Amino acid sequence: NAGVMQNPRHLVRRRGQEARLRCSPMKGHSHVYWYRQLPEEGLKFMVYLQKENIIDESGMPKERFSAEFPKEGPSILRIQQVVRGDSAAYFCASSPPPGGSEQYFGPGTRLTVT
Amino acid sequence: GENVEQHPSTLSVQEGDSAVIKCTYSDSASNYFPWYKQELGKGPQLIIDIRSNVGEKKDQRIAVTLNKTAKHFSLHITETQPEDSAVYFCAASQGNTGNQFYFGTGTSLTVIP
Repeated sequence: NAGVMQNPRHLVRRRGQEARLRCSPMKGHSHVYWYRQLPEEGLKFMVYLQKENIIDESGMPKERFSAEFPKEGPSILRIQQVVRGDSAAYFCASSPPPGGSEQYFGPGTRLTVT
Repeated sequence: GENVEQHPSTLSVQEGDSAVIKCTYSDSASNYFPWYKQELGKGPQLIIDIRSNVGEKKDQRIAVTLNKTAKHFSLHITETQPEDSAVYFCAASQGNTGNQFYFGTGTSLTVIP
């Protein structure tokens, strides 16, 4: 059973460009969470999605950031017009069907904005 | 909202000794407390968790204790090995699917051979 998959693992963007980060949850998981980790810090919650629905986006910046989890395909975290402060590791986690508290994390995408 | 504090930020122990990492939380509604191990360049890996109806849980060399009254929980690693060297994160949540995790700031553990 493959774990949570994220790609790309490393992404370099110039200021003003767009970044697209992809996450495929574990097989059988339909709940996806995105977290951001700044250097030397813990993970901060951004958004929680189920298939075709954003359930909780309380941790996501109001501008430039968006997330989706379509019926088919991976979840996408999109950052428009990136700035240097967006440089961080972005982790996706998935959890089993309702009743499961555990979250299993992917390897992360390390975004560098130059 | 929830606030999780973690100590120490760095910890060095000799191989074979024990390591203890402590976390406190602020929200009495939190009832699920996982611990993650993160190796360099990798994602956090769930190593053990505890729910609020249990005071202690053990899995081989790893144990977690929870004191709900004092709102703190701890990770204990016995007979440490060099491969235990990593950053460890505690987290707290309300324990239902969809509840976000609130993470501590991490403890960098170094086990000296």
